[in-house]
Amino acid sequence: GQNIDQPTEMTATEGAIVQINCTYQTSGFNGLFWYQQHAGEAPTFLSYNVLDGLEEKGRFSSFLSRSKGYSYLLLKELQMKDSASYLCAVRDYDDYKLSFGAGTTVTVRA
Amino acid sequence: EPEVTQTPSHQVTQMGQEVILRCVPISNHLYFYWYRQILGQKVEFLVSFYNNEISEKSEIFDDQFSVERPDGSNFTLKIRSTKLEDSAMYFCAINPAPTSTQGGLTYEQYFGPGTRLTVT
Repeated sequence: GQNIDQPTEMTATEGAIVQINCTYQTSGFNGLFWYQQHAGEAPTFLSYNVLDGLEEKGRFSSFLSRSKGYSYLLLKELQMKDSASYLCAVRDYDDYKLSFGAGTTVTVRA
Repeated sequence: EPEVTQTPSHQVTQMGQEVILRCVPISNHLYFYWYRQILGQKVEFLVSFYNNEISEKSEIFDDQFSVERPDGSNFTLKIRSTKLEDSAMYFCAINPAPTSTQGGLTYEQYFGPGTRLTVT
């Protein structure tokens, strides 16, 4: 099975940087995903890490350490529209299904 | 990003009734998934479908649930006798062909817009 932990809530100011941590304990690992989810909407794919290190995509970066069972999502130059829930998900080795954490609600304030 | 549509967007049904939720991926994919999200809770895996067969199912996916690809394109989730606790958002997801990145092959998974099921 999968055990995935991330903080429940975070608050930051517009223009600032926020780092969302995710730790996991899994029986099989084949990649870690980050999704953004606005209230009432579907998860939207943000990033995917399968190797250790940092993946950068514009204002969003994601880091993975497989030996530590740890990842983070870094959001830079925060905008009001970044207020959402951010979901950490681990992919199973066999059939690629995803196991999700409970999500971190990020609130961006002016 | 591959396009996935789901119908209906919102379904209201009475307890004990059957519902069929539909997913239509725009292009062919190998793996299909159904997930659900009860309001205020995390996204939960229900079932994966590969090569026209169930690949894996969770403990949630009991005998009242079934999946199929009736015409080779639509991917459906049927709930035979709905219960109040089946009220949730149901998401279909797909794995497109892997893309090459600096880290190797990237296997992304994309979600459809979801169907909100309300059981009264």
